[in-house]
Amino acid sequence: NAGVTQTPKFQVLKTGQSMTLQCAQDMNHEYMSWYRQDPGMGLRLIHYSVGAGITDQGEVPNGYNVSRSTTEDFPLRLLSAAPSQTSVYFCASRTRDGPYEQYFGPGTRLTVT
Amino acid sequence: LAKTTQPISMDSYEGQEVNITCSHNNIATNDYITWYQQFPSQGPRFIIQGYKTKVTNEVASLFIPADRKSSTLSLPRVSLSDTAVYYCLVAFTSGTYKYIFGTGTRLKVLA
Repeated sequence: NAGVTQTPKFQVLKTGQSMTLQCAQDMNHEYMSWYRQDPGMGLRLIHYSVGAGITDQGEVPNGYNVSRSTTEDFPLRLLSAAPSQTSVYFCASRTRDGPYEQYFGPGTRLTVT
Repeated sequence: LAKTTQPISMDSYEGQEVNITCSHNNIATNDYITWYQQFPSQGPRFIIQGYKTKVTNEVASLFIPADRKSSTLSLPRVSLSDTAVYYCLVAFTSGTYKYIFGTGTRLKVLA
């Protein structure tokens, strides 16, 4: 199993550009989520999904879109990048039922200039 | 949503036992308490999870008192490689899938 994979590892965008961060898991987990982590801070939940076709907002959803067309994939789309979106983005997944351990991807480091 | 409070940082020496306490006053009946470890430039990694009393695995113990308003992560005989940030969070087990990460406890293990 590859676990949770994220691409790209690094990305630099100009203000106003759009892009999609990819996340995939091969553990057949129903639950997936996206977090952002700013320097010296904890993780903040952006969006999450409890199954294919079902998504919901987390703490900081503005400026981001998600969709979940398959169990395996949960892409995060930045609509119009802003410098405030410079951060490290982590994707995570978990089974619906216990145990409630989340598996995290390696992260994508995004810089918006 | 139940938010957690932890010390910002702790220092310890190799070989010592480290206890990190977390408070979660608004924990709900169905919530589990979960601890994660994060190294620089990596995603958090699950350490241990519990509901009440004591849970032990190969790397840590988790102590939860009867009122469940706090919990203590215990790391026995820490080594330099345990230097990391440790997050305590409550896990929602019913319906929605939401976690609140606090700022965590930055543990530094000294030689």
